[in-house]
Amino acid sequence: KAGVTQTPRYLIKTRGQQVTLSCSPISGHRSVSWYQQTPGQGLQFLFEYFSETQRNKGNFPGRFSGRQFSNSRSEMNVSTLELGDSALYLCASSFGQANTEAFFGQGTRLTVV
Amino acid sequence: KQEVTQIPAALSVPEGENLVLNCSFTDSAIYNLQWFRQDPGKGLTSLLLIQSSQREQTSGRLNASLDKSSGRSTLYIAASQPGDSATYLCAVRNYGGSQGNLIFGKGTKLSVKP
Repeated sequence: KAGVTQTPRYLIKTRGQQVTLSCSPISGHRSVSWYQQTPGQGLQFLFEYFSETQRNKGNFPGRFSGRQFSNSRSEMNVSTLELGDSALYLCASSFGQANTEAFFGQGTRLTVV
Repeated sequence: KQEVTQIPAALSVPEGENLVLNCSFTDSAIYNLQWFRQDPGKGLTSLLLIQSSQREQTSGRLNASLDKSSGRSTLYIAASQPGDSATYLCAVRNYGGSQGNLIFGKGTKLSVKP
């Protein structure tokens, strides 16, 4: 059974550009959540999607957005990149019920220069 | 607002030692608690999931306990090995909202010396 797949693994972007990250959840999982991980702040929640609907959203500026497709694959977009957006972005998938286990991908390392 | 704390932040032990990692949370209204392992620059690997109605879970050399009323969980690692060196994170599954459905501690960085 394939795990959670995130692409690309590494990205280098310039300030002001925009970027799109992709996450393919485990087959059958309908919930996808995104997290930003930095050394200073740890893991911070960005948003959660379930059956193409945003279910929860963290306290990030509107430059951060996401969506989920009918096959449960999800993308997140960051516009007008800032140096502080450099981080490891992690995607988690689960069945979507409250008591189910979350599985994470390997992450996308974004560096903004 | 749920807050998750992990103590200690870092731990160094000799190979073969048994050890305990601690996790505490402020709001006992959780669905479950999950322990993860993270190697440098990599994603999170799920180790154990404990539902709110359970007291403990075991997998191989790992045993996790949960005391929901006191807001505490421990991860016990028996006979530690150098390959256990990693950062261990605990996360509680909450009721959603702006914190999301998984709230993480900052982790314990474990180093097992041969």
